[in-house]
Amino acid sequence: AQKITQTQPGMFVQEKEAVTLDCTYDTSDQSYGLFWYKQPSSGEMIFLIYQGSYDEQNATEGRYSLNFQKARKSANLVISASQLGDSAMYFCAMRESNAGNMLTFGGGTRLMVKP
Amino acid sequence: GAGVSQSPRYKVAKRGQDVALRCDPISGHVSLFWYQQALGQGPEFLTYFQNEAQLDKSGLPSDRFFAERPEGSVSTLKIQRTQQEDSAVYLCASSLVGGLANYGYTFGSGTRLTVV
Repeated sequence: AQKITQTQPGMFVQEKEAVTLDCTYDTSDQSYGLFWYKQPSSGEMIFLIYQGSYDEQNATEGRYSLNFQKARKSANLVISASQLGDSAMYFCAMRESNAGNMLTFGGGTRLMVKP
Repeated sequence: GAGVSQSPRYKVAKRGQDVALRCDPISGHVSLFWYQQALGQGPEFLTYFQNEAQLDKSGLPSDRFFAERPEGSVSTLKIQRTQQEDSAVYLCASSLVGGLANYGYTFGSGTRLTVV
């Protein structure tokens, strides 16, 4: 089974609107962390937001928020007030406590912001 | 430097050639990671160093892949006898603390390797 599943290969959003990028995960660990990264065409991976499995509240970082639904094993990224510069690949990733220090990434979602 | 620096940015190798990819992490960063990203896919873990110690190399796909970080700073990923399936972007990342902090890693821009 896939550890991290991102079901949306590509998404369009109108500038200034909000968009949700889906991520579901699979783990039997009780302690784990979930991450979202942005990868523009230049190639670097930019850290956006983190959610720990024991965190009670959903993480927020500026225009980014993480909709964490533990029972459903989902960790969707919400970007509010989309900007043209948000056009990029977005990756969801997980670190499991029993898997050392590696991150497991999903296949990514390409977000395209329309002016 | 201010960020993680990788060189070369692009590398074309003939099949069977050996290549060496360099990563300069952020100064003082304890942890260093290598990932392989095939076209259109997410990155996959290759190996992890804490200072000069290679603590996890479970992701290296074959014994043709070798990584080192002899002085706990610069790291080199070497691929011997390259094959076409080695074509990918190789990403390096570093982290200030040991292991994985909750703010993740700082990634470099990667080296795009094309084996022809």
